[in-house]
Amino acid sequence: LAKTTQPISMDSYEGQEVNITCSHNNIATNDYITWYQQFPSQGPRFIIQGYKTKVTNEVASLFIPADRKSSTLSLPRVSLSDTAVYYCLVGGRGYQKVTFGTGTKLQVIP
Amino acid sequence: EAQVTQNPRYLITVTGKKLTVTCSQNMNHEYMSWYRQDPGLGLRQIYYSMNVEVTDKGDVPEGYKVSRKEKRNFPLILESPSPNQTSLYFCASSLTAGDQETQYFGPGTRLLVL
Repeated sequence: LAKTTQPISMDSYEGQEVNITCSHNNIATNDYITWYQQFPSQGPRFIIQGYKTKVTNEVASLFIPADRKSSTLSLPRVSLSDTAVYYCLVGGRGYQKVTFGTGTKLQVIP
Repeated sequence: EAQVTQNPRYLITVTGKKLTVTCSQNMNHEYMSWYRQDPGLGLRQIYYSMNVEVTDKGDVPEGYKVSRKEKRNFPLILESPSPNQTSLYFCASSLTAGDQETQYFGPGTRLLVL
């Protein structure tokens, strides 16, 4: 499984766009990139998944460059309720083992 | 409502006293797994199950056992708990292995081993 590297923490003011980058240099051809959100004392929650280029849903956007060695989760106009830990995972459909990194703790400031 | 349930939510026990944490899902998911979460270490996978009677070790299986006799249930067993198993435990399920889009996590079980 590809190892991922993310910043340990980030701060942002309410209303700003936040970009969290994940590095995954050893990503395999059939790997997908998935991002999860976790609030304190809750289980992680799926946010978005992509394979290449850009994916957007009602919550976030995911940007993946052509070499796929990194990805960026973009949260538009964050609010206090977006304060959470965000995890980047890399793996393929059918992968039995799952490896989470240590995640990025996002603190949104009023 | 689609959900993964865990019981108990909180547990204080003593070293060596066998315990079981139950996990149940109502989505007919094939894949289920257990994680533990510790400060600074993120989530680490303990065991996973591809389907009934099919289980395998994750990254940190030592000191744990699991079974999958029914599709909906995946209990985590600590035969002889030790203080280093004090942690927050999450059960998760997904339609199939690696299907992150359908993965649901339970609410967590906070375990303290004295």
